[in-house]
Amino acid sequence: EVQLVESGGVVVQPGGSLRLSCAASGFTFDDYAMHWVRQGPGKGLEWVSLISWDGGGTYYADSVKGRFTISRDNSKNSLYLQMNSLRAEDTALYYCAKGLGSNSRLCMDVWGKGTTVTVSS
Amino acid sequence: QTVVTQEPSFTVSPGGTVTLTCGLSSGSVSTSYYPSWYQQNPGQAPRTLIYTTNTRSSGVPDRFSGSILGNKAALTITGAQADDESDYYCVLYMGSGIWVFGGGTKLTVL
Repeated sequence: EVQLVESGGVVVQPGGSLRLSCAASGFTFDDYAMHWVRQGPGKGLEWVSLISWDGGGTYYADSVKGRFTISRDNSKNSLYLQMNSLRAEDTALYYCAKGLGSNSRLCMDVWGKGTTVTVSS
Repeated sequence: QTVVTQEPSFTVSPGGTVTLTCGLSSGSVSTSYYPSWYQQNPGQAPRTLIYTTNTRSSGVPDRFSGSILGNKAALTITGAQADDESDYYCVLYMGSGIWVFGGGTKLTVL
């Protein structure tokens, strides 16, 4: 069974940094692109970032470009999101999602349950 | 910046048919945008319904179907059931690795 388990969400002050992790199991991790998607309180889904199967391609929403960095460690079946210069509007539930394949044109498939990031003083 | 548009809300009668759409603030949606659809119930993670326009994800009932209608992507639910009451999101591939979600449609079955 495919499983994605996010962790690392906490309360952090504006301007602070945080690293989210996603532990993957039940599939061949390095065969798939991976996404981060977030959902603010009472809001809709917002795509955040995508990383290719080998980490060679990384892509970001304009709202996080230059502040967030996506990475992966295929030897550990893990996905990461380094979040810097955090703002109140980054407060959200952050989901890790498996791509349908290695191609970046394939959407999110299986989703984790998410980890909550709160940016507040 | 291109916005992906969805109806904020829709109501369908039990057993009825409803079509939710996914458009662009500028331009037309085609299969080249690889439109996909997700269902999300309160407090739960999204569930994949349809990907690459019209392919149903594993385990999704065939009353859910995807298509291109005119200049929009569409999700049609035929024979709506009470447990179809949910939030529905589309997502489009904008190229260069970038994806954009629509604002979501809250579907009421009443």
